[in-house]
Amino acid sequence: EIVLTQSPGTLSLSPGERATLSCRASQSVGSSYLAWYQQKPGQAPRLVIYGASSRATGIPDRFSGSGSGTDFTLTISRLEPEDFAVYYCQQCGGSPGTFGQGTEVEIK
Amino acid sequence: EVQLLESGGGLVQPGGSLRLSCAASGFTFNTYAMSWVRQAPGKGLEWVSALSGGGTNTYYADSMKGRFTISRDNSRSTLYLQMNTLRAEDTAVYYCAKTLGYNWNRAMDVWGQGTTVTVSS
Repeated sequence: EIVLTQSPGTLSLSPGERATLSCRASQSVGSSYLAWYQQKPGQAPRLVIYGASSRATGIPDRFSGSGSGTDFTLTISRLEPEDFAVYYCQQCGGSPGTFGQGTEVEIK
Repeated sequence: EVQLLESGGGLVQPGGSLRLSCAASGFTFNTYAMSWVRQAPGKGLEWVSALSGGGTNTYYADSMKGRFTISRDNSRSTLYLQMNTLRAEDTAVYYCAKTLGYNWNRAMDVWGQGTTVTVSS
C-alpha cells in the first residue's frame, strides 16, 4: 500500500497570501494518478487537481499542482476567503487507492 | 446535471449488515468507474472500494476485503456497497464518487452528499 504523508498538518495564513501544500508518497506514483481534493465542513470533497497538474472543471487558476515521483505540491497563489478548507492528496496508481491525512488551511 | 444520491445508511449492530445504494444521473453511467470513500467522525478520507465501468474489475482496501462487496446495475445507473460483519470502526459517512474514466485508477470528479453508517449496540 502506498502511504501518502501531507505537510504541514495545519497552515495558518491570511487572505491574499500564498499557500504551499506538500504530499509525499512512500513509493513512486505516476503523475497521472495523483489528485488533490478540497473539503469544507459538512460538505463532500471537491476535486481540485487531477493528473498532478490539471485543474478540474470550475477550479480557478490560482490553484496549481506540480511534482512527480514521490513529491507533489499544491499551490494556491493568493488565498481567497472561500479557499480556507482541508485539502487531501490521493493516489490511484496502485490498489488500494490511498489518501493523505489532510492539510487544513486556516485563517490566521 | 450530473448527480449522485446515496441511500441506505443507518444504525446497525456490530456484526450486522447493510447495503448502500448510489443512484446516478446526468451522465452515461456504464462508461465510468465508480468508487466508495468513507470518512469517520472527525477523521480524514479513506478509500474503500472501486469498480470499473463494466463492473468486471473490483478493488478494495485491505480492511474491507472479504466483508464488503461493491457492485453496479448499469441498467438502473446504480452503484451498491454490501457491507457485512460490520464493526464499530466502520462508523462513517460513506460517499460514492464517479471517476474520470472507465478504469478505477482516475481521480474522482463528482461526489454524492454521503450517507451515514453508525455501528453500535
